[in-house]
Amino acid sequence: AQSVTQLGSHVSVSEGALVLLRCNYSSSVPPYLFWYVQYPNQGLQLLLKYTSAATLVKGINGFEAEFKKSETSFHLTKPSAHMSDAAEYFCAVSPHGNLIFGKGTKLSVKP
Amino acid sequence: SAVISQKPSRDICQRGTSLTIQCQVDSQVTMMFWYRQQPGQSLTLIATANQGSEATYESGFVIDKFPISRPNLTFSTLTVSNMSPEDSSIYLCSVELQGNTYTFGSGTRLTVV
Repeated sequence: AQSVTQLGSHVSVSEGALVLLRCNYSSSVPPYLFWYVQYPNQGLQLLLKYTSAATLVKGINGFEAEFKKSETSFHLTKPSAHMSDAAEYFCAVSPHGNLIFGKGTKLSVKP
Repeated sequence: SAVISQKPSRDICQRGTSLTIQCQVDSQVTMMFWYRQQPGQSLTLIATANQGSEATYESGFVIDKFPISRPNLTFSTLTVSNMSPEDSSIYLCSVELQGNTYTFGSGTRLTVV
């Protein structure tokens, strides 16, 4: 069965610092991988997705993620955090037409 | 991308009652999904709804508790039946679009008292 593990339920960074949110997956077949963001009291918004094209995927709001098959990872990064990036981030894998989510990582950004 | 209208956006319900959540999509989609997000938790798939057939439920979810309708390719409802405080969650509908893109409604925040 496919699954997703997000390391760190809460990450805190200073404004302007690097953001790194970790995601590891388990899959017996090449996966489709996603990062979603959820702002307080809102639904989910797609940040980016990997669908077996380029291993470095660029998303919205300056985020990007790199698919590393050897490490079964799909970590999310952003060079410089902004206060508006404070939200919860979910990594997800798509096995058969639905999404399996990780437990989420809450990102806090300190001024 | 598709636009999903989900309502109600929030509700406070008495235990033992039922609530029906509606999800309307502005384009025809084959598969619609219903998720539950319990407080402080991640999203868990409740069921997959295809038009013209019964919904497929995930382990731990049953049709009697969460009946789903899918009368056409743009609409679905999820009912939370005989509610208890443990059903207090955010319920979200989602659709799969071409290109392995999944779009979500804004969610229904349910509180059962």
